[in-house]
Amino acid sequence: NAGVTQTPKFQVLKTGQSMTLQCAQDMNHEYMSWYRQDPGMGLRLIHYSVGAGITDQGEVPNGYNVSRSTTEDFPLRLLSAAPSQTSVYFCASSQTSRGTDTQYFGPGTRLTVL
Amino acid sequence: KQEVTQIPAALSVPEGENLVLNCSFTDSAIYNLQWFRQDPGKGLTSLLLIQSSQREQTSGRLNASLDKSSGRSTLYIAASQPGDSATYLCAVKLGSSYKLIFGSGTRLLVRP
Repeated sequence: NAGVTQTPKFQVLKTGQSMTLQCAQDMNHEYMSWYRQDPGMGLRLIHYSVGAGITDQGEVPNGYNVSRSTTEDFPLRLLSAAPSQTSVYFCASSQTSRGTDTQYFGPGTRLTVL
Repeated sequence: KQEVTQIPAALSVPEGENLVLNCSFTDSAIYNLQWFRQDPGKGLTSLLLIQSSQREQTSGRLNASLDKSSGRSTLYIAASQPGDSATYLCAVKLGSSYKLIFGSGTRLLVRP
């Protein structure tokens, strides 16, 4: 199993550009989520999904969209990038739909918005 | 509002020492608590998961304890090695929430 994979590893955007961060898992997990990690702020939940076709907002959803058309994939879209979105983004998954068991994290995407 | 605190923020110890990392949380109505390890520039790796009904979990040289009533968890690392150098994060999950609430981490350096 590859576990949780994320692409790209690094990305530089200009303000106003859009892009999609990719996340995939091959463990047939129901629950998937996106976090951002910022110095002094820790990890904060952006969006999560409890199964294909079901998504919901986390703590800091503004400026981001998600969709879950398959169990495996959970892409995160930045609609119009802003410097405040400069961060490291992590995707995570867990087996149960409530995310109550072990969380598996991807390697992260380091995003810089100029 | 649930807050998770980890003290100290950084710790440096000589190889072979036994050490304890601390995690405290303000709301005792947690579903579970996880300890993670994060190496520089990498993702998080789950080390131990303690359900709210459990008192401790062990994996190799690692032992995590949970005291819900006092809002505390500790991660005990026995016979530390330079390879243990990393940032250790604890995260709690409330029963009513889908999110993990993370502490800010303890940066551990084990000196050879």
